[in-house]
Amino acid sequence: QVQLVESGGGLVKPGGSLRLSCEASGFTFSDYYMTWIRHAPGKGLEWLSYISGGSSGSRFINYADSVKGRFTISRDNAKNSLYLLMNSLRGEDTAVYFCARFHLAVTSFYEGRGYLSQGYFDYWGQGTLVTVSS
Amino acid sequence: EIVLTQSPGTLSLSPGERGTLSCRASQSVSSNFLAWYQVKPGQAPRLLIYGASRRATGIPDRFSGSGSGTDFTLTISRLEPEDFALYYCQQYGSSPSTFGQGTKLEIK
Repeated sequence: QVQLVESGGGLVKPGGSLRLSCEASGFTFSDYYMTWIRHAPGKGLEWLSYISGGSSGSRFINYADSVKGRFTISRDNAKNSLYLLMNSLRGEDTAVYFCARFHLAVTSFYEGRGYLSQGYFDYWGQGTLVTVSS
Repeated sequence: EIVLTQSPGTLSLSPGERGTLSCRASQSVSSNFLAWYQVKPGQAPRLLIYGASRRATGIPDRFSGSGSGTDFTLTISRLEPEDFALYYCQQYGSSPSTFGQGTKLEIK
């Protein structure tokens, strides 16, 4: 069965960095887009980033405006692993971070932004807590 | 971006009752690309419905989704004790994908 296990969360000071990992099993990892989503205390879910499958030279990546320029998504298909490098962390980044398998529904062209993919999230991990506090 | 507004914020019902959760979009959701998720503390969120009305794998038939355009509904026909949780809708018809603020379904 599909399993996703996140790790790497913890307490970090404002301005600090953290790298989250997500280990996948139970499906052909390289065939799927993957994504990161977070759930801040008292707030709704927020999509953060996705990365397409396939070889490293031809991947599609997109970020939410709230993390663009600070967070970097990557993957290692040989290790069935997804990563999220988070820099310049702020208090508002405090949340439970989930990795999820992304079921691609559509790829559309947006003027000024290029091709962007949309889909729903069919399997999720249990999440890892990131707390940004001094 | 499309803003999703879920109502009510909290729904208090008893096991065996019918639950109706609403999700309204600020503009039409392309191709009715709307999903519903169940979230419980400490657990992996679970996909319930995609494409507005299609049940995900393994989801009991007491869960059903309906609606189109800007108005969508998740209905739980007869509430079981394990159904009391947070529920979120998500639109994936346009970028960026967005979630509603959630409905908490609690035991009355």
